[in-house]
This record gives sequence, C-alpha cells and structure tokens, in this order.
Amino acid sequence: SQKIEQNSEALNIQEGKTATLTCNYTNYSPAYLQWYRQDPGRGPVFLLLIRENEKEKRKERLKVTFDTTLKQSLFHITASQPADSATYLCALDGSNDYKLSFGAGTTVTVRA
Amino acid sequence: DTAVSQTPKYLVTQMGNDKSIKCEQNLGHDTMYWYKQDSKKFLKIMFSYNNKELIINETVPNRFSPKSPDKAHLNLHINSLELGDSAVYFCASSPRPGGENTIYFGEGSWLTVV
Repeated sequence: SQKIEQNSEALNIQEGKTATLTCNYTNYSPAYLQWYRQDPGRGPVFLLLIRENEKEKRKERLKVTFDTTLKQSLFHITASQPADSATYLCALDGSNDYKLSFGAGTTVTVRA
Repeated sequence: DTAVSQTPKYLVTQMGNDKSIKCEQNLGHDTMYWYKQDSKKFLKIMFSYNNKELIINETVPNRFSPKSPDKAHLNLHINSLELGDSAVYFCASSPRPGGENTIYFGEGSWLTVV
C-alpha cells in the first residue's frame, strides 16, 4: 500500500541551529514533491516544490532535496528562528492521477 | 482579499443533522478541493473538481456530497452527521489539477458532532 512517512512527530531545536525533516514514501512514483507549513488553527501554506529531476531547491533559509532512488525528501531550515515553529507537511503526487497526498507532518519547535 | 474563504469556521451540531460548508475562491483557479484533517492531523483528500467537473472522488461515505455551481465555488453537504465526522474540513484551490500546481488552502471549518 502507499505510504508517506515523516520523521518523528515533533522536533525541538535551539534557535540558530538547522532543523532537518525527513519525508519517506513507499509505492509512489512522484513527479513532484511539495512542502507546506501549517500553523495551529490555520490552513497549510505552500513553501517549496521540487521536481523528480531536481536534486535540490532553495528558498531563503529553506532547502529541499529529493532522492528518487532512496524515495526520500529532506527539508532543512537553516539558522532557525522561533517564528519557524510550526508543523511541516510533505506532499507528493501519485502516478496517473491528480491527487496530492500529504504526510502526517512534523511539528517543529524552535527554542529561543 | 481572502483567496480561499470557507464558512462557517466553527460548527457544532448534533448527530443525525444535515449541514453544509461553503467555499469560494477568488484566485481564478480551475481546480478546487475538499480535504479532511482528523484529530491526528492527517490531511486526506476527499473530492476535487476541475471546471465544475468531478475528477477526484475518494472513498468517502455517500453522506458527503460536494457541489460546484461554478468554478469559483465548491460546497460540501453532509447528511446524517455522525460522531466520526468531527474534524477540520479544508477547502482549497489550484490553478489546474496535477502535482506541479501549488494548492491554496482556506482557513478550515471546525466541525464538532455531539
């Protein structure tokens, strides 16, 4: 069956450190993988999209990698700040359909 | 200015009732979605419409019926509400269907069935 697994439900880090989140998938062949941020009581907000033929994508302090051999994406927040505290969701498309399926998310807490 | 707006934001209702959640997007997108987020925060797609045509219909009880009067609106009607329907329902839209498109979410509708 298809699965999207994100590492540990919660990640606590010190301000200024790099947070690394993992998204592993099984029985998907995604052409695209996306990352979203969700704050408590709010809807998810798009952060980054990476294509299957791209190894890495950056946006400001965010970096995403995509390894289709390992079936894994890594999401890095460098120089983390308390304002980065949120739940981060990975999402990927299925084969031959329009669905974007989401992982359960990893909640990041950045301590000042 | 809200891109994807849904109403009501909070809804508390008794088992067996019928309720609707309305959604509108002003982004000019062709595709709209309903997602359900349960207590474990797992976000699962329920339905998707593209230009008023149903393109995704997941395994959802037929008590849930989406309706898209035009491509800017996608409403969700739920009949005979059950306790297990309590969740947050997110409306969303994207320019077109497919994984290369960014999805824009509404703020969610918190449904509590008592």
